[in-house]
Amino acid sequence: EVRLVESGGGLVQSGRSLRLSCAASGFTFDDYAMHWVRQAPGKGLEWVSGINWNTANIAYADSVKGRFTISRDNAKNSLYLQINSLRAEDTALYYCVKDFSSGNLDVWGQGTTVTVSS
Amino acid sequence: QSALTQPPSASGSPGQSVTISCTGTISDVGGYNYVSWYQQHPCKAPKLMIYEVNKRPSGVPDRFSGSKSGNTASLTVSGLQTDDEADYYCSSYTGFNAVVFGGGTKLTVL
Repeated sequence: EVRLVESGGGLVQSGRSLRLSCAASGFTFDDYAMHWVRQAPGKGLEWVSGINWNTANIAYADSVKGRFTISRDNAKNSLYLQINSLRAEDTALYYCVKDFSSGNLDVWGQGTTVTVSS
Repeated sequence: QSALTQPPSASGSPGQSVTISCTGTISDVGGYNYVSWYQQHPCKAPKLMIYEVNKRPSGVPDRFSGSKSGNTASLTVSGLQTDDEADYYCSSYTGFNAVVFGGGTKLTVL
C-alpha cells in the first residue's frame, strides 16, 4: 500500500522553528518528486514547496521563501520541511504529497497540524 | 504565483451536470497541459480526480471529465450524485517543481 505519514507538527510560539517529517512507503521513493501543501483552517489548498528526486530542482511559494527549507533523504524514504521564524499565518494542516509527473499529485498523507501562537 | 481563479460555489441537482472553471495565465494553465483537479470532502485529504487536463486516475468514474481552452481549464461532473458534494480544487504545474492551486469551489448537490 502506498502511504505517506507526516509528523512533527504541534503548538509553537511565533518566531520559533519546527521540522516536519514525512515517511513514505509502498513505492520507490527516489523515483518521484515530492511536495508540501498546506491548508489553513477553513481555507483552500496552498502549495508550499516542491523537490525533485535528486534535489537538483527545489521551489518555494513566495510566502515562505527564505524561511522554509525542503529536503529529502532517499535512503530513509523521507521528506522534510524545516520551518523557521514561524508566523501566525503559517498555522495550517501540512500535507506531504507525491508527484507522479509534473505537478500531478496522486498520493496525499493525512497531514500534520502546525499551530503558531503569539 | 497568483492563485488560479475558481468560482467559490457551484450547484446542481442529482443527475444533472455541472462545470467548474479554473482561470490562470500563460505562465500556468495556458502554458502547460499539466492541469489537475482534486476533490476534498470535509476533514479528508484531497483526492486526485483529473490529471494532465483530461485524464482520469484508475478508479475515478467517467462522470468526471476535464478540458482546457487557452488559459481556462474546466471540470465537468455529469450525472451528479450526493457523494459528489465536496470542495474541488484545480492546480497547474508552473515549471521547476512548482505548482499553483485555485481558490477552490464548493459543489453543492441540491
